[in-house]
Order: sequence, then C-alpha cells, then structure tokens
Amino acid sequence: QVQLVESGGGVVQPGGSLRLSCAASGFSFRLYGMDWVRQAPGKGLEWVAVISYDGTTTDYADSVKGRFTISTDTSNNTVYLQMNSLRAEDTAVYYCAKDRRGSSSFRNNRYYYYGMDVWGQGTTVTVSS
Amino acid sequence: DIQMTQSPSTLSASVGDRVTITCRASQSISSWLAWYQQKPGKAPKLLIYRASSLESGVPSRFSGSGSGTEFTLTISSLQPDDFATYYCHFGTFGQGTKVEIK
Repeated sequence: QVQLVESGGGVVQPGGSLRLSCAASGFSFRLYGMDWVRQAPGKGLEWVAVISYDGTTTDYADSVKGRFTISTDTSNNTVYLQMNSLRAEDTAVYYCAKDRRGSSSFRNNRYYYYGMDVWGQGTTVTVSS
Repeated sequence: DIQMTQSPSTLSASVGDRVTITCRASQSISSWLAWYQQKPGKAPKLLIYRASSLESGVPSRFSGSGSGTEFTLTISSLQPDDFATYYCHFGTFGQGTKVEIK
C-alpha cells in the first residue's frame, strides 16, 4: 500500500544538525513532488519545504530558508530534510507528505498546488540544551 | 509571502449541524487551495483540493467553495467522526479551526 515512513528525529542541541529521512513505497516516487510539514507542540501546522518530482525545483518557508535543505534519492525512494543551525523553535513533529502532482509552486504568481494526499506518521525533533 | 487567515478558531456544534469554516488569502490564489482535517496525535488528512474538488474516499458531506481570496469548507451534517481541527493551506497554513462538541 501507499506509505511514507519518517525517521531520524531525536534530541539535538541548539546550533546542531540533524537529517530526517522519509522512505516511500507503494507509488511511483519519481512522478510526484514531496513536502515536509511540521507541528510544534500544541501548535498548528507549518509547511516547511517542497521538492519537485525531478528534484530541479525546491522551495522553503522563510523560517527555515538557508538552514534546511530538502533532497531526494530516487534510487531508494527517499526524501531527506537536512536541518542545520537548529533553534529551539524548530522543535516539532516533522511530517513528510506526497503531492498529488509532480510539484507545487507558491511564489511569483506561478501558482500550482493540488494538495498533499499521503502523509507519514511523523518524527519528533527536540532542540534543547 | 501569502498569508492565510481562518475563522473561527473554535466552533462548537452538535451532531447533524451544518458547519462552515472560512479561509481568506492575503492576495488572490485563484483556486489553488486545499483543506485538511487533523485529529489529535495523527497526521493531517486531505479533504479538498483545488478549492472544491473532493479527495477520493472523503464523505460527500464535505464540500469546498470559493476562489480568489475567499474560501469556505462546509460540512453539511456534522458526524461524530468529524470533531477535529481543520486547516486551509496554500504555502502557509491557516491557524486552524477546532470543531468541538456542543
């Protein structure tokens, strides 16, 4: 069945780094865009990043731009989120999600978004000294 | 960045009620809006995409409408399984609307 499984969460000190992984199965991974979305304890959802089906286009929330990097490895159907210079406010459950189409675009009036139809169970990141 | 504003933040309703949640975008996004349902401790679930298209498997009591900057999610007859938090999304998520039992 269609499934996303995140891993790599844990406790890290402020200023540290962590890499999250999301293993996809049950669908043609190379045809769809992939996103990361996070949720701080007791708070709402925050979209973090998106990568297009072919890996050529990425976009980030302003809160993580320059610190986080999204990437994919189509040889093992995995999407990654490299998180550097972590801050306390990055503490959250991180979800990966599959786009319904090959990409999403939220900027520059070139809008394109069909929603995220498959989600993982989430992995928890805690940034604390 | 485009900001998404949802209202109300909390809604108390009874089983069988018609419920409407509003989402406003800070500038026109045509129909590029999605709605999600989230229950405590669970991942979000896509309900509506392209403002009014019902995701496969989602009950027909859910509907979406709107375009440009004003959007609504309507639950025609609230069921016990519908008590949850709902989010609109385009780039940024709305703040969420918690639907509680009255």
